Amino acid sequence: EAGVTQFPSHSVIEKGQTVTLRCDPISGHDNLYWYRRVMGKEIKFLLHFVKESKQDESGMPNNRFLAERTGGTYSTLKVQPAELEDSGVYFCASSQTGLAQYFGPGTRLTVL
Amino acid sequence: AQRVTQPEKLLSVFKGAPVELKCNYSYSGSPELFWYVQYSRQRLQLLLRHISRESIKGFTADLNKGETSFHLKKPFAQEEDSAMYYCALRGSNFGNEKLTFGTGTRLTIIP
Repeated sequence: EAGVTQFPSHSVIEKGQTVTLRCDPISGHDNLYWYRRVMGKEIKFLLHFVKESKQDESGMPNNRFLAERTGGTYSTLKVQPAELEDSGVYFCASSQTGLAQYFGPGTRLTVL
Repeated sequence: AQRVTQPEKLLSVFKGAPVELKCNYSYSGSPELFWYVQYSRQRLQLLLRHISRESIKGFTADLNKGETSFHLKKPFAQEEDSAMYYCALRGSNFGNEKLTFGTGTRLTIIP
């Protein structure tokens, strides 16, 4: 069975540009999470979907970040416009409710 | 608020020696604790969850509510244990599924 997949694996953009990250969860997992690790800091929670609904978006840093999960399958995380401090590794994870979360390989975002 | 502390950023241990990676937490309810591991060029993967009480790759971790700790232990380190280890906490209240991570400990096993 395929694990959580993320696309792209790397993205290098200039400040002010827009980037969209994609996450495909494990099939059958209703819960989908976004996390990020900024250089030198811990992995931090961004938001949690249950199917297509946002259950918890308390970790979203500001309104430049927009996450969607149309149809309750894959999710996208858009950063518009990107700032230098958005550089880091963005992780996606999925789970069945109450069970452990399985992580994707991450997308390394570099904003120049 | 949920908080996880891993006091050691780096830990080096000789092969065959015991390993202990420290994790302390702060949470007002009954949390669920996890250890995740990230080997070189691999994704973050679940190593242990405290409610399973199982031993994976020789590692064990016991939740000590009195000391609010969930230290990871292995009696005899192996070279393949070199990796980044993250302790994580999930709250017990319904709907709170998010994980709060510690800053991680990079474990290096010296041959």
